[in-house]
Amino acid sequence: AQSVAQPEDQVNVAEGNPLTVKCTYSVSGNPYLFWYVQYPNRGLQFLLKYITGDNLVKGSYGFEAEFNKSQTSFHLKKPSALVSDSALYFCAVRSWGGGTASKLTFGTGTRLQVTL
Amino acid sequence: NAGVTQTPKFRILKIGQSMTLQCTQDMNHNYMYWYRQDPGMGLKLIYYSVGAGITDKGEVPNGYNVSRSTTEDFPLRLELAAPSQTSVYFCASSSNGLAGEQYFGPGTRLTVT
Repeated sequence: AQSVAQPEDQVNVAEGNPLTVKCTYSVSGNPYLFWYVQYPNRGLQFLLKYITGDNLVKGSYGFEAEFNKSQTSFHLKKPSALVSDSALYFCAVRSWGGGTASKLTFGTGTRLQVTL
Repeated sequence: NAGVTQTPKFRILKIGQSMTLQCTQDMNHNYMYWYRQDPGMGLKLIYYSVGAGITDKGEVPNGYNVSRSTTEDFPLRLELAAPSQTSVYFCASSSNGLAGEQYFGPGTRLTVT
């Protein structure tokens, strides 16, 4: 069975500093990986995805993620954090089996807190 | 273009009551999903649909039912509400089943007492 681990419940970073939110996965077959962000009292918003190709994926709001097959990781990064990036971030992997629907397995989320 | 809309935003139910959570999307997406989000647990898939007339169980389907009579609508039914169903419910849709990103509604916060 597939799984996603986000080892940090919370990440604190100062505005202007680089940020990393960690994600590791376990899946049989090729992984389809996603990052979503959730602002307070809102639904999840898609940030970026890795399907195939270049290991460095660029997404919305200046975020990027690096796929590392040997370490089974898909860490989310941003070179310079903003206070407005403070939110809950979810990593997800596509579940295989059962047809064509993109059933996602989500991690438990990492709260990013960016301070001045 | 409203995207994915959900009603109601909040609801309090008594144990044993029933209700339907509404979900509508205007993007002509074939794939639709229902999730529940519990604190510290991430999102769990309840039911999903790959098109009108076709639904299937997700990870945590017990106590819920769905229907998909049109492409736009995907209501979630709770027949006998239980405290364990207290959660935030999200509906989502996607155009591409295999690799497409999902678009989420704003959620329904349900409390069962």
